[in-house]
Amino acid sequence: DTEVTQTPKHLVMGMTNKKSLKCEQHMGHRAMYWYKQKAKKPPELMFVYSYEKLSINESVPSRFSPECPNSSLLNLHLHALQPEDSALYLCASSQDARRGDTQYFGPGTRLTVL
Amino acid sequence: AQSVTQPDIHITVSEGASLELRCNYSYGATPYLFWYVQSPGQGLQLLLKYFSGDTLVQGIKGFEAEFKRSQSSFNLRKPSVHWSDAAEYFCAVVPGVSGGYNKLIFGAGTRLAVHP
Repeated sequence: DTEVTQTPKHLVMGMTNKKSLKCEQHMGHRAMYWYKQKAKKPPELMFVYSYEKLSINESVPSRFSPECPNSSLLNLHLHALQPEDSALYLCASSQDARRGDTQYFGPGTRLTVL
Repeated sequence: AQSVTQPDIHITVSEGASLELRCNYSYGATPYLFWYVQSPGQGLQLLLKYFSGDTLVQGIKGFEAEFKRSQSSFNLRKPSVHWSDAAEYFCAVVPGVSGGYNKLIFGAGTRLAVHP
């Protein structure tokens, strides 16, 4: 089973709202990732968690706050977002965070910020 | 500059025709190479990957890719395209530099349309 699940599928929020995106995997993977994909663009890495610890933050604004409560779950907390943050947010996981470990992606959450 | 290039933004083929999608990279050391496919509004599905060894790699859905070090290329091929192959195709690399981390760097993507 190589499934990564993400909820919700769609989210619409105002600039003053607080919301969270959720990602889950049951493959025993120890590395999890958040990517952001703007329309008609490739995905761009935001965060990497390895063994439940944040190992990489790609200079993401603080209005995005990741959290890894356990090895199967990854959350992305959103606060005071801007309309330009509207995008498809993809979660991925891999066996480990070693270079080249295959990353398996979820279906994404399509976020619209009004 | 280090980059992943997919020269073709859009490609249209007829169903049953052969397909080749191009990918070139510019990294000093041979990177880890991947092809992913994304259907509209969906996540990314791994088609195949190359790390080392045999330069012709077989993937899912009848796709294959060939690594050519001399051309810094990793082109994706399929002998006979099906209408269900219409999607966006991304070439991606993880640079092979020591001390680097597992960061996928994607090309701009190639959108494939299939005519009946």
